Amino acid sequence: DARVTQTPRHKVTEMGQEVTMRCQPILGHNTVFWYRQTMMQGLELLAYFRNRAPLDDSGMPKDRFSAEMPDATLATLKIQPSEPRDSAVYFCASGLAAGGRVPNEQFFGPGTRLTVL
Amino acid sequence: QKEVEQDPGPLSVPEGAIVSLNCTYSNSAFQYFMWYRQYSRKGPELLMYTYSSGNKEDGRFTAQVDKSSKYISLFIRDSQPSDSATYLCAMRGENNNNDMRFGAGTRLTVKP
Repeated sequence: DARVTQTPRHKVTEMGQEVTMRCQPILGHNTVFWYRQTMMQGLELLAYFRNRAPLDDSGMPKDRFSAEMPDATLATLKIQPSEPRDSAVYFCASGLAAGGRVPNEQFFGPGTRLTVL
Repeated sequence: QKEVEQDPGPLSVPEGAIVSLNCTYSNSAFQYFMWYRQYSRKGPELLMYTYSSGNKEDGRFTAQVDKSSKYISLFIRDSQPSDSATYLCAMRGENNNNDMRFGAGTRLTVKP
């Protein structure tokens, strides 16, 4: 049963602390997306990787957020220092650039619920 | 103005009702139109998609696209309590770059 996994599922931290969220894309997928979901803004794209290379991170606050893919089985999203306004659910999704029912169909993980106090 | 507009609801209907969910958009380059369903505390899952204009039916679900009006709809017939979820529309252009845009999502509750 292939699915995207994310850790941790929940994270509560204090303002100023570093937060690292991890994602394991579906084996064989070559695109990875990071999204942030809030009630106010909905689903916002933060970063997009293809073949481990970052193609679009325009939605990400560069001063505190960073996204990497150390290898094909791991994507990370780091916030340093974290702020209360970063509280949200962070989703990772993966896909095949040339495949899926829809080109580059995105399969979402269960999300990391982040609370910054 | 956002590229994709969707009424966040919430929408509450009795079991068996017909549900209509809608989105409008502004980018005429969009060609793929998708509906994602997101259950509480889960990630979104692709429910249906349509390419260009027209209708598509899958069981109790029908997706419609009117490109001339830049308006898409999802209809749910004989709604069930298990349909209670947030429904997000999403759309993208013809090319394979990451230009997918999501609506805010409509929260639907179907009451038994």
